Amino acid sequence: DTEVTQTPKHLVMGMTNKKSLKCEQHMGHRAMYWYKQKAKKPPELMFVYSYEKLSINESVPSRFSPECPNSSLLNLHLHALQPEDSALYLCASSPSGPPYEQYFGPGTRLTVT
Amino acid sequence: GQQLNQSPQSMFIQEGEDVSMNCTSSSIFNTWLWYKQDPGEGPVLLIALYKAGELTSNGRLTAQFGITRKDSFLNISASIPSDVGIYFCAGPWAGNMLTFGGGTRLMVKP
Repeated sequence: DTEVTQTPKHLVMGMTNKKSLKCEQHMGHRAMYWYKQKAKKPPELMFVYSYEKLSINESVPSRFSPECPNSSLLNLHLHALQPEDSALYLCASSPSGPPYEQYFGPGTRLTVT
Repeated sequence: GQQLNQSPQSMFIQEGEDVSMNCTSSSIFNTWLWYKQDPGEGPVLLIALYKAGELTSNGRLTAQFGITRKDSFLNISASIPSDVGIYFCAGPWAGNMLTFGGGTRLMVKP
């Protein structure tokens, strides 16, 4: 099973709202990732968790707050977003060692109004 | 991160034709990954390559790991309408981080 699930599939939120994106995998992977993807562009890395610890934060604004409650779950908490944050948010997971093949979830389409 | 150059950026093909695309880098990679992304969905891993010169198939798709370890190629034989989408090459660097090519958008004429 190489499935990564994400909820919700679509999210519309106002700039003053607080919402969360959720991601789950049951492949035993110990590395999990959040990406942001704009139309017609490749995914852009936001955060990396390795063994439930944040290992990479690619200078993401603090209005995005990741959380890894356990080895299977990854959340992304959203607060006071801007319209330019509208994008497809992708979660991925991989083994913590080589060959680092990443498996992606279906994404959450976020629209900030 | 390292930059991957993917070409062509987009292509129209006639159903039944073969398709070729490639990915090049100025740096050596030890692994090449090819993903396909349908509109509104996440990328799906198609083929992973681990050794220079390796040729791997997945149905009508065949990918090759270039012998210089700085390039990779993806071929699709006898294209069909469901091959439409964006194809990304990717390579791991600095451990478990991936760098992506800009993508090849495949559009099939019915």
